[in-house]
Amino acid sequence: SQKIEQNSEALNIQEGKTATLTCNYTNYSPAYLQWYRQDPGRGPVFLLLIRENEKEKRKERLKVTFDTTLKQSLFHITASQPADSATYLCALDSRSASKIIFGSGTRLSIRP
Amino acid sequence: DGGITQSPKYLFRKEGQNVTLSCEQNLNHDAMYWYRQDPGQGLRLIYYSQIVNDFQKGDIAEGYSVSREKKESFPLTVTSAQKNPTAFYLCASSIDTERLFFGSGTQLSVL
Repeated sequence: SQKIEQNSEALNIQEGKTATLTCNYTNYSPAYLQWYRQDPGRGPVFLLLIRENEKEKRKERLKVTFDTTLKQSLFHITASQPADSATYLCALDSRSASKIIFGSGTRLSIRP
Repeated sequence: DGGITQSPKYLFRKEGQNVTLSCEQNLNHDAMYWYRQDPGQGLRLIYYSQIVNDFQKGDIAEGYSVSREKKESFPLTVTSAQKNPTAFYLCASSIDTERLFFGSGTQLSVL
């Protein structure tokens, strides 16, 4: 069956370090993969999209990689800050049905 | 101010009652979506609509109904057939599937 897994439910790291979150998928062949940030009690906010023919994409302190062979995306936040603390969701398109499927999210906490 | 508006912020349902969650957007987006989020969980797709007067079931459509009579509006009804309705409901819209814009959500609880 089709599945998206974010393999850390929670991640706790020290301010200034690089946070790395993982998103794995099975039985999909997405054209692209998206990352969103969600704060408690709020809707997710779009951060980055990476296409199947792109290996890496950067935006300020964020970096996303996409390995279609491993069926995995990595999301990095460099020089992490307490304000980066949130839940991060990966999502991909289900080409067959033109809909977006989300992973369960990773709750990231950055301690001062 | 362009955006997507969900109302109410909090909603309480009595047993056997149908309730309707509102979702309005002024972004001129064709596609609209409803997701359900349970505590500590990701988003699960309930229904989506790619165009007015057309919608498709998502992964957990049972106990829910929608309509799409206008481009701007995509209301979700939680029927009495939904036995476990307590959750955070999120509406989203998009021009294509490459980026979703979300509302601020409705927290539905059972009395």
